[in-house]
Amino acid sequence: QQQVKQSPQSLIVQKGGISIINCAYENTAFDYFPWYQQFPGKGPALLIAIRPDVSEKKEGRFTISFNKSAKQFSLHIMDSQPGDSATYFCAASGGGNNDMRFGAGTRLTVKP
Amino acid sequence: DAGITQSPRHKVTETGTPVTLRCHQTENHRYMYWYRQDPGHGLRLIHYSYGVKDTDKGEVSDGYSVSRSKTEDFLLTLESATSSQTSVYFCAISGDRRSAFFGQGTRLTVV
Repeated sequence: QQQVKQSPQSLIVQKGGISIINCAYENTAFDYFPWYQQFPGKGPALLIAIRPDVSEKKEGRFTISFNKSAKQFSLHIMDSQPGDSATYFCAASGGGNNDMRFGAGTRLTVKP
Repeated sequence: DAGITQSPRHKVTETGTPVTLRCHQTENHRYMYWYRQDPGHGLRLIHYSYGVKDTDKGEVSDGYSVSRSKTEDFLLTLESATSSQTSVYFCAISGDRRSAFFGQGTRLTVV
């Protein structure tokens, strides 16, 4: 049973455009929703995260939007750059859980 | 970078043989995790540990076992490797169960 569902599986965006990746979770006990960025041959690295008591968090060109009632959250990458080309994973963790669950990943390609 | 090391980084093994992957951390983090990464499936949790000798199953634990006898080491064992276990395996550590630091991964091929 996949606890975190992520879409789309792949995304192609022109340089300067907005990249949007969506996730939905099932377990309402989770209280931390991070996004990870992974480059080929590397392990995922924490990019940005949000807690459910806020609806939006922004760090530079990266923004998380969170909808607690819908159990959904999304990553927006503004002014997308070729260097942003990577695989992005959403995740859910914390609360009463010791485990961390990840989405299936989105391969983002930003064309110059 | 968080002090987390996976070994080996690459391994080719034959079907039916036992395989052990090692994750070593120098951060003294309580929580450690093993994931496998496969195209279309993302990162799937195999097993995790919330302390020395305290482990639990994840979503794809069949065919895998783990052990944690020391805070710094978390071992993943494939008792009898199968071709379906060909994958990239990642270890992750966390101090708060929320944000994780990942190792560089182990690419395992079962032939």
